[in-house]
Amino acid sequence: EPEVTQTPSHQVTQMGQEVILRCVPISNHLYFYWYRQILGQKVEFLVSFYNNEISEKSEIFDDQFSVERPDGSNFTLKIRSTKLEDSAMYFCASTLDRGRGYSNQPQHFGDGTRLSIL
Amino acid sequence: DQQVKQNSPSLSVQEGRISILNCDYTNSMFDYFLWYKKYPAEGPTFLISISSIKDKNEDGRFTVFLNKSAKHLSLHIVPSQPGDSAVYFCAASASGSQGNLIFGKGTKLSVKP
Repeated sequence: EPEVTQTPSHQVTQMGQEVILRCVPISNHLYFYWYRQILGQKVEFLVSFYNNEISEKSEIFDDQFSVERPDGSNFTLKIRSTKLEDSAMYFCASTLDRGRGYSNQPQHFGDGTRLSIL
Repeated sequence: DQQVKQNSPSLSVQEGRISILNCDYTNSMFDYFLWYKKYPAEGPTFLISISSIKDKNEDGRFTVFLNKSAKHLSLHIVPSQPGDSAVYFCAASASGSQGNLIFGKGTKLSVKP
């Protein structure tokens, strides 16, 4: 069964450094998402991406964050200047369609990147 | 702002019995609801979903019920198996959104042999 893959599985970075988290969504999917889960808290939406542009973002997704789909397969999340509070699990997800009502398709998630900021 | 609430942090069930996991929501614009299962060190795995135009959806041992008037949904697992032990997340997306999911805090299910 096709999977969403994320690399690396664990990233340790000094505060203030830039970090790039990588994701390969399922190949025929069209909508891409990043979520994060701080330890002990809910999974939170960060950003959605469709047709090579951001379609929606949360309040968490400030100017320090950016996303890119540099080629036909990778989907990346960049944090420019990391802060201690950026430490979390970051999940990438993708879906074929986010139609309405009965045509909705579920999002499939990768196993996440654990980001630790020192 | 808890738009999706799972009020039971944990549930323990005997193997072979029914597991019932509950979820409440507050946003009337939600039109698509999903249940995910999560093991430690893995991402959420999709289990089953339901659109707001339905009140029940069944897939094997898993059934999701939606009560729109009560803004409540539940996941039934029958019969429960030890391999079902995991954290279960309820999630919802709103009509008009780009599909971004709002998650509950999760319920840890333990199925005892």
